[in-house]
Amino acid sequence: ETGVTQSPTHLIKTRGQQVTLRCSSQSGHNTVSWYQQALGQGPQFIFQYYREEENGRGNFPPRFSGLQFPNYSSELNVNALELDDSALYLCASSLGGVGNYGYTFGSGTRLTVV
Amino acid sequence: DQQVKQNSPSLSVQEGRISILNCDYTNSMFDYFLWYKKYPAEGPTFLISISSIKDKNEDGRFTVFLNKSAKHLSLHIVPSQPGDSAVYFCAAKLRSGAGSYQLTFGKGTKLSVIP
Repeated sequence: ETGVTQSPTHLIKTRGQQVTLRCSSQSGHNTVSWYQQALGQGPQFIFQYYREEENGRGNFPPRFSGLQFPNYSSELNVNALELDDSALYLCASSLGGVGNYGYTFGSGTRLTVV
Repeated sequence: DQQVKQNSPSLSVQEGRISILNCDYTNSMFDYFLWYKKYPAEGPTFLISISSIKDKNEDGRFTVFLNKSAKHLSLHIVPSQPGDSAVYFCAAKLRSGAGSYQLTFGKGTKLSVIP
């Protein structure tokens, strides 16, 4: 049973650019959530995807968007990057929502915006 | 507005002793509370959870206590081991839409267990 894998592990982008982060969910999991963890902070909920549709969103602007594919893998897209977007982006998968055992998290993608 | 607060950024404990990590919350709609452990360069891993209708849940060396009236929970680790050294996040579960849930995390407490 494979866990959650994210790519790339590190990324440097320039302010104003666009970025796509990728996530493969754990085998058997049909729900993917994305979190942003800024330095010294806890992870913050961006959005959740279930059956290829966004079904929950945190307090993030529309330039944060996502996709879920039929194999339950997912992408996070961020347009018009800002310096404050520099953070660790965590993908988490679960079966039908977070459940009472939490998610399975990937190791994250470290995004630096310069 | 921080709905989940971990007021101690760090904690040092001697090996074999008890570690107590604290967490406070403000939103009465949270229905489950979870603790995650995070090592550097890894994602958070689930440790233990507790329903809002319970006051205690135990799993081996880990026990979580919930005081709903005080909106406070704590994680006890007994006995503490050097491998427990990590950042511990308290998280609370909330329904965020039809069939959707989200976790609200605290800022974390860095636990160092000294051999």
